Amino acid sequence: AQSVTQLDSQVPVFEEAPVELRCNYSSSVSVYLFWYVQYPNQGLQLLLKYLSGSTLVKGINGFEAEFNKSQTSFHLRKPSVHISDTAEYFCAVSDSGNQFYFGTGTSLTVIP
Amino acid sequence: EAQVTQNPRYLITVTGKKLTVTCSQNMNHEYMSWYRQDPGLGLRQIYYSMNVEVTDKGDVPEGYKVSRKEKRNFPLILESPSPNQTSLYFCASSLFWGSDYGYTFGSGTRLTVV
Repeated sequence: AQSVTQLDSQVPVFEEAPVELRCNYSSSVSVYLFWYVQYPNQGLQLLLKYLSGSTLVKGINGFEAEFNKSQTSFHLRKPSVHISDTAEYFCAVSDSGNQFYFGTGTSLTVIP
Repeated sequence: EAQVTQNPRYLITVTGKKLTVTCSQNMNHEYMSWYRQDPGLGLRQIYYSMNVEVTDKGDVPEGYKVSRKEKRNFPLILESPSPNQTSLYFCASSLFWGSDYGYTFGSGTRLTVV
């Protein structure tokens, strides 16, 4: 089974500053990688996904993530955050099986 | 609108009283799954279904049952709820069981067992 580690449980950042949310996974075999966002009192929404090809993946709301196979990482970045980006962010991995494996989440708080 | 619908959104019940949380999707997805979300533990998979009449256990299936008699519905059944099942539950679906499509999630059911 895969394991997914989100290294920061809480990330405070000032508005318009850049942010990076870190994600590492356990296996080096072929994987599919996802980032989801959960706004307060809502379900999870897909931000972006990496299946194959270019290691830099662009998603919605100006987010992007870079797949690094040698470091088994899939860090999420945004160059300039807004108040509306305050949410919980989950990294998820699937190894072509029937299960997704989620990290424990990173709570991003954007400070005005 | 393409969506996954869960009901109820909030539920408070007593220990031992059987309950069902419903989940329905209108996207003709084959793959459906139930997760529970707990602070510090992230999302953990309870059960999943690859198609009608095909279900299997996830990581934390104890105390739960599911059924998949129709493609669109995947109810979660707690035969005898206990306080340790107090949690936030999410239903999710995907087009196929192959995992590159990602999930569509419902809005969640917050269950409290007293």
